Amino acid sequence: AQKITQTQPGMFVQEKEAVTLDCTYDTSDQSYGLFWYKQPSSGEMIFLIYQGSYDEQNATEGRYSLNFQKARKSANLVISASQLGDSAMYFCAMRDNQAGTALIFGKGTTLSVSS
Amino acid sequence: SAVISQKPSRDICQRGTSLTIQCQVDSQVTMMFWYRQQPGQSLTLIATANQGSEATYESGFVIDKFPISRPNLTFSTLTVSNMSPEDSSIYLCSVEDPARGYGYTFGSGTRLTVV
Repeated sequence: AQKITQTQPGMFVQEKEAVTLDCTYDTSDQSYGLFWYKQPSSGEMIFLIYQGSYDEQNATEGRYSLNFQKARKSANLVISASQLGDSAMYFCAMRDNQAGTALIFGKGTTLSVSS
Repeated sequence: SAVISQKPSRDICQRGTSLTIQCQVDSQVTMMFWYRQQPGQSLTLIATANQGSEATYESGFVIDKFPISRPNLTFSTLTVSNMSPEDSSIYLCSVEDPARGYGYTFGSGTRLTVV
């Protein structure tokens, strides 16, 4: 069975600093996808970034990058130049690459950005 | 990318009653996923709804408590039956969104409080 582990319940960072949110995963599948979502206090789920298991390069989307270390089964999210609006809950999730498969989520990390 | 309209956005219900949550997608999708997010927790998959067949429920969730309908490729409902305060959660629907690559789109969520 697939499993996602996020060990940081909360992280604190100052504006303009970079922050890394940790995520490790467990799967016996060779083909899978890893995702990060942001959930502000409003409750909506905002897709941030995706990494496929066969992607050779780390994914990047603006200020977000995914530090993918396949051998260690880790997929850490790096947010550069933090902004106050980055304060939210962040979820790491994965799926196997079969059509019609739901995402499985980690417990989440609450990020607080201060000025 | 797909847009999901989820209703109601929030409700306060009496214990013992039922609430039906609706999700309307602006494009045809094969699978719809229903999640529960208990206060301060992560998202837990309730069931996967495929049009024309019975929903597939995850361990710990049963059809009598969470009946799901999927009458067509753009619409689904989740009913929370015989509610108790433990059912107070955010309920979210989600679909795979090919327009976003491997991303998934989520409804805005239904914040349910049972009193």
